[in-house]
Amino acid sequence: GEDVEQSLFLSVREGDSSVINCTYTDSSSTYLYWYKQEPGAGLQLLTYIFSNMDMKQDQRLTVLLNKKDKHLSLRIADTQTGDSAIYFCAERSSGTSYGKLTFGQGTILTVHP
Amino acid sequence: GAVVSQHPSRVICKSGTSVKIECRSLDFQATTMFWYRQFPKKSLMLMATSNEGSKATYEQGVEKDKFLINHASLTLSTLTVTSAHPEDSSFYICSARGTIQKNTEAFFGQGTRLTVV
Repeated sequence: GEDVEQSLFLSVREGDSSVINCTYTDSSSTYLYWYKQEPGAGLQLLTYIFSNMDMKQDQRLTVLLNKKDKHLSLRIADTQTGDSAIYFCAERSSGTSYGKLTFGQGTILTVHP
Repeated sequence: GAVVSQHPSRVICKSGTSVKIECRSLDFQATTMFWYRQFPKKSLMLMATSNEGSKATYEQGVEKDKFLINHASLTLSTLTVTSAHPEDSSFYICSARGTIQKNTEAFFGQGTRLTVV
């Protein structure tokens, strides 16, 4: 079945860049997503990338996809304290009915002043 | 993006009672809704997928008689935790996808914190 792995923790200083990494196993993945979850809240879709793309940039966010290595990363430029949250990557495979997403375990990003 | 609203955001109930959680798509028609459960410091576990007007499809290991899902309209799905026990305490999150999002995005509700005492 599908499996998605993330590192559990990342700590950065305010103003630095953050890079959160994710690996997945399903080679039939069609879309890959990044979600942000703040304490006690639901998931906020940050961005997504189609599997035939290598990179997607949206303001401070840059997503890189290496399909050969099944590696996805999210770079947050000029990280702010408000970026502290849990970040989940998720993948959707072409073989999944109704578009079920498989999530990684989440990376806790802590931003220090 | 589209708005998905969950209610209540927090609920405390006594062991043995049932609790209903609502998930509404506010500005689009949700043909498919997903119910997830999240344990502390853990990822989201998909419980079931529901399509409007059809029976829900449950993931392996999820008791369908315990977690009743109804998706009676294109804007509302409900999850009822029947005869709740303390081990059912968790954070439950729904997500919804409609035709307007085609096959790309799924939007999440804000979650419901269930505590069974």
